Amino acid sequence: GDSVTQMEGPVTLSEEAFLTINCTYTATGYPSLFWYVQYPGEGLQLLLKATKADDKGSNKGFEATYRKETTSFHLEKGSVQVSDSAVYFCALTLSSGSARQLTFGSGTQLTVLP
Amino acid sequence: DADVTQTPRNRITKTGKRIMLECSQTKGHDRMYWYRQDPGLGLRLIYYSFDVKDINKGEISDGYSVSRQAQAKFSLSLESAIPNQTALYFCATSTGQGANIQYFGAGTRLSVL
Repeated sequence: GDSVTQMEGPVTLSEEAFLTINCTYTATGYPSLFWYVQYPGEGLQLLLKATKADDKGSNKGFEATYRKETTSFHLEKGSVQVSDSAVYFCALTLSSGSARQLTFGSGTQLTVLP
Repeated sequence: DADVTQTPRNRITKTGKRIMLECSQTKGHDRMYWYRQDPGLGLRLIYYSFDVKDINKGEISDGYSVSRQAQAKFSLSLESAIPNQTALYFCATSTGQGANIQYFGAGTRLSVL
């Protein structure tokens, strides 16, 4: 079945450090890929998405590129801030089929220290 | 006001009790979902509904039931709660169109003693 594998956390960085959170996927079709973020005490919210190979999603300084050849969608940010401390989830949904449910990775806890 | 509202936000109950978690949305979306989140496991789908008359089991539906009372309301019930149902529960909505982006509520933290 479809699955998403994320870099295990927790990840602790100093402010202004470079961030990479790895994500790879297995899917039977052509998925859309997402990064969701969960701030403390809140629900998940969409951070960015990409719907086809070589698309780059970006938002709030975060970027991820849909790499079909490596089945990856790694999240990057050049300079993290304390306010980026959260749990990050990589997810996919198939572009066809009735359910189109989200399949999530296990989440990566990021803590940014001042 | 939040677009997807879950009540209660926190609940403690005892083994064997029946409990209902409620979700309402003002986004006008047809599709609604219930997920549970456990540490280190991400979110797993319990049930989903495409409209009032269309309800489907997800990956982990055993021990749960749902009711779609209206387009805007989707409730999750635990008929006889057990301790391993202690988790964080999320409701989500979507249009089903395009990338099918899902929008989440703030979650209900449930503890079964």
